[in-house]
Amino acid sequence: NAGVMQNPRHLVRRRGQEARLRCSPMKGHSHVYWYRQLPEEGLKFMVYLQKENIIDESGMPKERFSAEFPKEGPSILRIQQVVRGDSAAYFCASSPAGPGYTFGSGTRLTVV
Amino acid sequence: ILNVEQSPQSLHVQEGDSTNFTCSFPSSNFYALHWYRWETAKSPEALFVMTLNGDEKKKGRISATLNTKEGYSYLYIKGSQPEDSATYLCARASGTASKLTFGTGTRLQVTL
Repeated sequence: NAGVMQNPRHLVRRRGQEARLRCSPMKGHSHVYWYRQLPEEGLKFMVYLQKENIIDESGMPKERFSAEFPKEGPSILRIQQVVRGDSAAYFCASSPAGPGYTFGSGTRLTVV
Repeated sequence: ILNVEQSPQSLHVQEGDSTNFTCSFPSSNFYALHWYRWETAKSPEALFVMTLNGDEKKKGRISATLNTKEGYSYLYIKGSQPEDSATYLCARASGTASKLTFGTGTRLQVTL
């Protein structure tokens, strides 16, 4: 069991470009969560998804950010028209249901 | 308490010392309290998930207690070793299990 896989590990984007972050949950896990860690801050919840459904997106910025977890394939966090303030570490976690997440190693996004 | 707060922010101990950290959280609408161990450049590793008032959990030299009525949890490390050096995060789940609110962590450094 390979655990929660995130790619890429590091991503550099110029201002105005799009960033796509991928997360493959652990085998058998149908719940995916995205968290963001801004510099000098703790992990902040962004969105909770199950297959083909967004369950809770209360932590997502209202514009430019979107997330999906299709029936087949990884979960994708998309950031359109990136700005410098989007530079952060983005972590994905998965669970079968209920408490007890497994985290991925994160994607570190740098906007230049 | 409105947010999840951890203290101290950082801690430096000698090998063999025992130490403990505090996590304070809002006691209303409590579902579960999670502890994670997070080494630099790795993914957060789940240590404990506690749900009941008075819960005590132990894993090797690390143990944790939970008081949901007053809203705090303690993490104890007995006989610290250099490999215990990491950031220890606590996170509270409320209402449902889905969304975690993290503290900013306690950074532990254990030296010889």
